[in-house]
Amino acid sequence: GNSVTQMEGPVTLSEEAFLTINCTYTATGYPSLFWYVQYPGEGLQLLLKATKADDKGSNKGFEATYRKETTSFHLEKGSVQVSDSAVYFCALRGATGGFKTIFGAGTRLFVKA
Amino acid sequence: DAGVTQSPTHLIKTRGQQVTLRCSPISGHKSVSWYQQVLGQGPQFIFQYYEKEERGRGNFPDRFSARQFPNYSSELNVNALLLGDSALYLCASSLVDSEYNEQFFGPGTRLTVL
Repeated sequence: GNSVTQMEGPVTLSEEAFLTINCTYTATGYPSLFWYVQYPGEGLQLLLKATKADDKGSNKGFEATYRKETTSFHLEKGSVQVSDSAVYFCALRGATGGFKTIFGAGTRLFVKA
Repeated sequence: DAGVTQSPTHLIKTRGQQVTLRCSPISGHKSVSWYQQVLGQGPQFIFQYYEKEERGRGNFPDRFSARQFPNYSSELNVNALLLGDSALYLCASSLVDSEYNEQFFGPGTRLTVL
């Protein structure tokens, strides 16, 4: 079945460092791909999405490109801030998985001042 | 505009009891989905409803049930609670039943089973 694998955390960075969180997926067909962010004590917020191969999703300085050839959707940000500290989830929806969203296990990010 | 709302915020139950969680989608949204998020893990899909019909069900036992009302709000029921049911239960709504539509998540209901 469809699945998402993302790098284990926690990831600890200093402010203004470059961020990469790796995400790969397994799916039959071509799903839509998402990154969600969860701040402490809150629900999930959509950070960005891409619905077809080579699409680049971007929001708030974060970017991710839908790579069909490597089945990846890595999250990047050029300069992280303390306020970016949160848990980040890679997810997919569609293809043969129907309309449910399948999430990775999440990667916790700590940014130090 | 109000986002997805869920009630209650927190709930403490004992093993064997039953619980009902409630969700109100964003106005105009007709699709509601439920997810269970165990501490330290990603959310797991439980149910999806669209136009009051069940459109999908995850790998959860029959103790879990749900329904959607004519106003598109939804309830998730869990019977015979087990310790392992302790989790954050998230409701998400979307405009229509499409893989391309963004799902908007509520803040969740944190259920603790003692």
